[in-house]
Amino acid sequence: LAKTTQPISMDSYEGQEVNITCSHNNIATNDYITWYQQFPSQGPRFIIQGYKTKVTNEVASLFIPADRKSSTLSLPRVSLSDTAVYYCLVGDGGGGSYIPTFGRGTSLIVHP
Amino acid sequence: DTGVSQNPRHKITKRGQNVTFRCDPISEHNRLYWYRQTLGQGPEFLTYFQNEAQLEKSRLLSDRFSAERPKGSFSTLEIQRTEQGDSAMYLCASSKQDRDSYEQYFGPGTRLTVT
Repeated sequence: LAKTTQPISMDSYEGQEVNITCSHNNIATNDYITWYQQFPSQGPRFIIQGYKTKVTNEVASLFIPADRKSSTLSLPRVSLSDTAVYYCLVGDGGGGSYIPTFGRGTSLIVHP
Repeated sequence: DTGVSQNPRHKITKRGQNVTFRCDPISEHNRLYWYRQTLGQGPEFLTYFQNEAQLEKSRLLSDRFSAERPKGSFSTLEIQRTEQGDSAMYLCASSKQDRDSYEQYFGPGTRLTVT
């Protein structure tokens, strides 16, 4: 199983861009990188997924360097409602055997 | 699409009792996952179904835990002879089998308190 390492916590202010980096040094060739967001007392919510280079959707961007040993989730212009825990997952679901490993995540606090 | 639902939302039980939780996934999703989450930790994988087949089960999962998905739709998670250490949030998620997507949809969870 590919292990991921993220900062335990981060602080930011409204309107700033936030970048959360995840290390996954032993990522396998078939592994994808997925990020989830979780608010207190709720289940996690999918944010974005990527394999290489850059992926962008309406809420975030995901940057993956060529060696794929890390990835960075970028949240543009955060607001107070972005205060949550963010999880990075690495795994291969194509082969049918996929055990999602969440880790402790990064607790992001956005200040006014 | 009504999302993933879980029942009950809260359960308080005495140590030694059995409890059963239910998860109703999104109707067209053939994959269903169970997780356990304690305060300050990320969700911990318990088991995973593809249709009615249980394909993976955590090696850390006690024999007191059992899950079923008899018709490939809803699933139940049973904990026998509950212990105080079983107190946690139990999350269910579902997804559509897709080689290039890992997007799981989570339910609101069932919070178990064992006294």
